[in-house]
Amino acid sequence: DQQVKQNSPSLSVQEGRISILNCDYTNSMFDYFLWYKKYPAEGPTFLISISSIKDKNEDGRFTVFLNKSAKHLSLHIVPSQPGDSAVYFCAASATGGTSYGKLTFGQGTILTVHP
Amino acid sequence: DGGITQSPKYLFRKEGQNVTLSCEQNLNHDAMYWYRQDPGQGLRLIYYSQIVNDFQKGDIAEGYSVSREKKESFPLTVTSAQKNPTAFYLCASSIDRVSYEQYFGPGTRLTVT
Repeated sequence: DQQVKQNSPSLSVQEGRISILNCDYTNSMFDYFLWYKKYPAEGPTFLISISSIKDKNEDGRFTVFLNKSAKHLSLHIVPSQPGDSAVYFCAASATGGTSYGKLTFGQGTILTVHP
Repeated sequence: DGGITQSPKYLFRKEGQNVTLSCEQNLNHDAMYWYRQDPGQGLRLIYYSQIVNDFQKGDIAEGYSVSREKKESFPLTVTSAQKNPTAFYLCASSIDRVSYEQYFGPGTRLTVT
C-alpha cells in the first residue's frame, strides 16, 4: 500500500524553465511534508518542507505547494539549472503518538535539466 | 566536520552469511534510522531508534537486526533470513524524535550472490 506516490518516474526540462514535481498521498493523518534531493550513489539531502497549516513555502528557487483537500503537493523549481538534475523524493509524516519522526517516502522522480 | 559515515561503500557477501553495516554520526543526534532503497522504489524504513538502548521495527524489519549501545552508532545486521538482501542501504539521523528533517549518510550498496 503506497501511501505516498510520485506518479512521474522522470521529468525533462530545459535550463531556465520551470520544473514541477508532483506528489500525492492517501493517509489523511499526514501533516508534515518534505522534499529530498538525491544524486547517484549518495544519500538524500533535505531540500524544503511544509506543514499542513500552510499551503505554500518558499526557499530561493524552490517552492512547495500543498493542497490538503486534494492530498497533493508539488515542488516548483524556478529557474531550473543543470545542477538540479537528480532524483527528487517526496516524504510525509504524521505528527503525534509513536509516529513522530517517521517518514514515508514516495518512489522518486528523476529530473533532468538540459543546458 | 559533522556528518554521518557509512562503511563500506560497497559490500559483497555470499548467500547464507550475516553481514553488518556500519553507521556512525557525530552530529549529537538522538534519533537514527535505517532505510533500504530498491530500483524504482522509494526509501523504506527498516528500523529506527529514538534514544540509546531503544529501537523499533519499521515497515520492513524482517530479516534485519540492530543495536543502539552508543548514541553515535547504529549498526544494521542483514541476516541470512532476509530473502532479498541485495539493495542500497541508507542510514539517517535527526536531532530528536520530534524532528522531521533527517540527515543521510552516503549509503552502502550490498550485493549478495
